Amino acid sequence: AAGVIQSPRHLIKEKRETATLKCYPIPRHDTVYWYQQGPGQDPQFLISFYEKMQSDKGSIPDRFSAQQFSDYHSELNMSSLELGDSALYFCASSLGAGFSNQPQHFGDGTRLSIL
Amino acid sequence: DAKTTQPTSMDCAEGRAANLPCNHSTISGNEYVYWYRQIHSQGPQYIIHGLKNNETNEMASLIITEDRKSSTLILPHATLRDTAVYYCISNLGGGADGLTFGKGTHLIIQP
Repeated sequence: AAGVIQSPRHLIKEKRETATLKCYPIPRHDTVYWYQQGPGQDPQFLISFYEKMQSDKGSIPDRFSAQQFSDYHSELNMSSLELGDSALYFCASSLGAGFSNQPQHFGDGTRLSIL
Repeated sequence: DAKTTQPTSMDCAEGRAANLPCNHSTISGNEYVYWYRQIHSQGPQYIIHGLKNNETNEMASLIITEDRKSSTLILPHATLRDTAVYYCISNLGGGADGLTFGKGTHLIIQP
């Protein structure tokens, strides 16, 4: 079965640069979520979108923004990168608000390294 | 989301049933219990979820106490590939609410 696709798998940037991570949800899924997992940490929720509208917001820094497009894919834009932004970034997708108790399914993540 | 507590780590012999407990004493009536696992640096993998009835799928069984204050995830025949961090998460389900991951249980399957 098709899974959540994230690109790129690995990304290396320098401090103060910008980065864009992409997420392609499972077909028919209309809700996407972004999570950040620092080294040795548990995943932390950043933000979610349902039908192209921001739905829930977690601990997303002001330097980060995200959006969901008409084909339901999503992009996480990160600016003024800091060393502490080095982490795994996971995207998840699900059937959204119109369906109760639908689980989230995660991609394999993007590993972002800031030099 | 209600707070959940799990043991930090557990061992289980290969081929035996692995029983992972979770306490969620403050869970509200409309919150589901979800279980995910994460195998080293891979994306979290959905296992199972339930509201108040016991649930079973091809991966595991979920036993929820009648008062819903705790639950147990059962992997019936653990294999080495089941070594992972297991997360018990309470969530309203549906909508687009983010999941709150706690510390989870590091399950180690011993050969």
